[in-house]
Amino acid sequence: EAGVAQSPRYKIIEKRQSVAFWCNPISGHATLYWYQQILGQGPKLLIQFQNNGVVDDSQLPKDRFSAERLKGVDSTLKIQPAKLEDSAVYLCASRLTLRGAPPNVPPSTVYNEQFFGPGTRLTVL
Amino acid sequence: GNSVTQMEGPVTLSEEAFLTINCTYTATGYPSLFWYVQYPGEGLQLLLKATKADDKGSNKGFEATYRKETTSFHLEKGSVQVSDSAVYFCALLTQGGSEKLVFGKGMKLTVNP
Repeated sequence: EAGVAQSPRYKIIEKRQSVAFWCNPISGHATLYWYQQILGQGPKLLIQFQNNGVVDDSQLPKDRFSAERLKGVDSTLKIQPAKLEDSAVYLCASRLTLRGAPPNVPPSTVYNEQFFGPGTRLTVL
Repeated sequence: GNSVTQMEGPVTLSEEAFLTINCTYTATGYPSLFWYVQYPGEGLQLLLKATKADDKGSNKGFEATYRKETTSFHLEKGSVQVSDSAVYFCALLTQGGSEKLVFGKGMKLTVNP
């Protein structure tokens, strides 16, 4: 089974330029996540999609970051314009998301693993 | 709020040494807990998990026990190998609404032959 694919793997841009990242999740995975991992820190969730709808974008800097998943499969994350502090690895992850679980079963007991892509390393000069 | 605090590195060990990486958490409710590993040049991989108190997750010789009383999930391995060199992240899964992973800062481990 193919894993989560991301491109490009590396990108170097100057500040105030625009950049876009692409993610192809594992086939059949309904939930897709974008994380930002700054050097020396753990990944931080930027946005979560369920199919083509946004579930959580509370930590997405909406003045410069945008993301979409129009057909509920691939996703793109865009930064416009980029700042120096956006230098980081951008990780995409996907998850199957169990459907049809009994209503009284806590989600954590039927946890479906998040599978991570290799990431895109962005350097803003 | 939800947060994870883990032992910061980097740490260098000799092969066959004992490894402990401390992890404590603060959470609303009753989260699931995880250890992820990131090998050089690769993506994050789930190493092990525990979903309730006193659960022990184990994989590849690594173990961690969910301790609700001390809000901890320390990672241990009795005898590390060179191939264990990687960055290790402790994480919790928040409850309610949109379930999301909250990660610690990670700890880089280097194992020398």
